[in-house]
Amino acid sequence: GAVVSQHPSWVICKSGTSVKIECRSLDFQATTMFWYRQFPKQSLMLMATSNEGSKATYEQGVEKDKFLINHASLTLSTLTVTSAHPEDSSFYICSARPPFLREGSYNEQFFGPGTRLTVL
Amino acid sequence: SQQGEEDPQALSIQEGENATMNCSYKTSINNLQWYRQNSGRGLVHLILIRSNEREKHSGRLRVTLDTSKKSSSLLITASRAADTASYFCATDPNSGYSTLTFGKGTMLLVSP
Repeated sequence: GAVVSQHPSWVICKSGTSVKIECRSLDFQATTMFWYRQFPKQSLMLMATSNEGSKATYEQGVEKDKFLINHASLTLSTLTVTSAHPEDSSFYICSARPPFLREGSYNEQFFGPGTRLTVL
Repeated sequence: SQQGEEDPQALSIQEGENATMNCSYKTSINNLQWYRQNSGRGLVHLILIRSNEREKHSGRLRVTLDTSKKSSSLLITASRAADTASYFCATDPNSGYSTLTFGKGTMLLVSP
């Protein structure tokens, strides 16, 4: 159980276009999803925390208007990179956290396989 | 700022050998988690150790936690080529709804 999927796995786009990445929890409801960005051979940097039905909480330095996050349902969160530029090229990973009331839950997160974005 | 700092940054060993990775952190935690990431893939949760625990085992994995030194170690025994991956520690300051802070990771290469 606890499977998280991302779509697409990779995307190549032209500079100035917008790209939408989907994150789905397949077998559990995720009230909270997280979006991370990872540069080659580096750690994950948290971009934002997405709560179902409310606005996302962005980390310092992350542009809200650049990285639009929507968490419209308990199983789906989307990240839209607007007007993408080459410097936005990165590996984007989402994770989902089951409801806290799940027995034994200790802030364990389940990660999607990631989306490789390349902006030309 | 990064909470967890792993060392070494990279580790190369032969199959059958043990691999030890260390993680240091700066602030108090509720629990510390270790994750594994294969190249170009998402993270897989390996093991969670709570602040009141000192050692935990899961298969070939052994994790220790020393809250007085603010450090943790991950030991993989009898390593296999399939263990080749990056390993990250992540700290959780409060149980429940807090965010995790990831360290920089250790790249492990296990040669046949």
